[in-house]
Amino acid sequence: NAGVTQTPKFRVLKTGQSMTLLCAQDMNHEYMYWYRQDPGMGLRLIHYSVGEGTTAKGEVPDGYNVSRLKKQNFLLGLESAAPSQTSVYFCASSYWTDSSGANVLTFGAGSRLTVL
Amino acid sequence: GDSVTQMEGPVTLSEEAFLTINCTYTATGYPSLFWYVQYPGEGLQLLLKATKADDKGSNKGFEATYRKETTSFHLEKGSVQVSDSAVYFCALRSGGSARQLTFGSGTQLTVLP
Repeated sequence: NAGVTQTPKFRVLKTGQSMTLLCAQDMNHEYMYWYRQDPGMGLRLIHYSVGEGTTAKGEVPDGYNVSRLKKQNFLLGLESAAPSQTSVYFCASSYWTDSSGANVLTFGAGSRLTVL
Repeated sequence: GDSVTQMEGPVTLSEEAFLTINCTYTATGYPSLFWYVQYPGEGLQLLLKATKADDKGSNKGFEATYRKETTSFHLEKGSVQVSDSAVYFCALRSGGSARQLTFGSGTQLTVLP
């Protein structure tokens, strides 16, 4: 099915380890986003990209890096994981706008990361 | 900056009860407003949207009206079903190049048979 695919779905890390979350979309969307979801806090934007080769910081970027070398992929990296990064991570993508002028995001199923 | 405030959960209702989940926002300009729903173990899905004042978004029996005068976008459904049990997020998108969404904290809804 067309959509947004995130890998892995689950991962347990030890403090200080590194890892990369992969997001892939097959809808030719220009915009891609990484959010984290924590209890009682909704979703907070980590980083985003408005096109291939571009990235920008969101609300909570510290401790994360991203890359968008291909239009369909958006990678989220943790260089040195910390327990505070235990969360559920969601990738999303969108066109610049749709016919109504809105910007509807399509989300992946999420990646649950635990840092011990 | 932009912000979204949702009513605190969790909300527990019996099947066929009336549902209201309050949402108010703070934003510059004229934002677009959204309700997203997250079913257990899944990502968020768009439920409905409204792009200008007095617009009413609707889908699957849910409705929300964009009220600029009260900066609100309350979600309503006349008769909830067990299958509506999920977490509901209010969100806005205002101007800017990123076009990202700002989300509320989410409201957990449980519908009992």
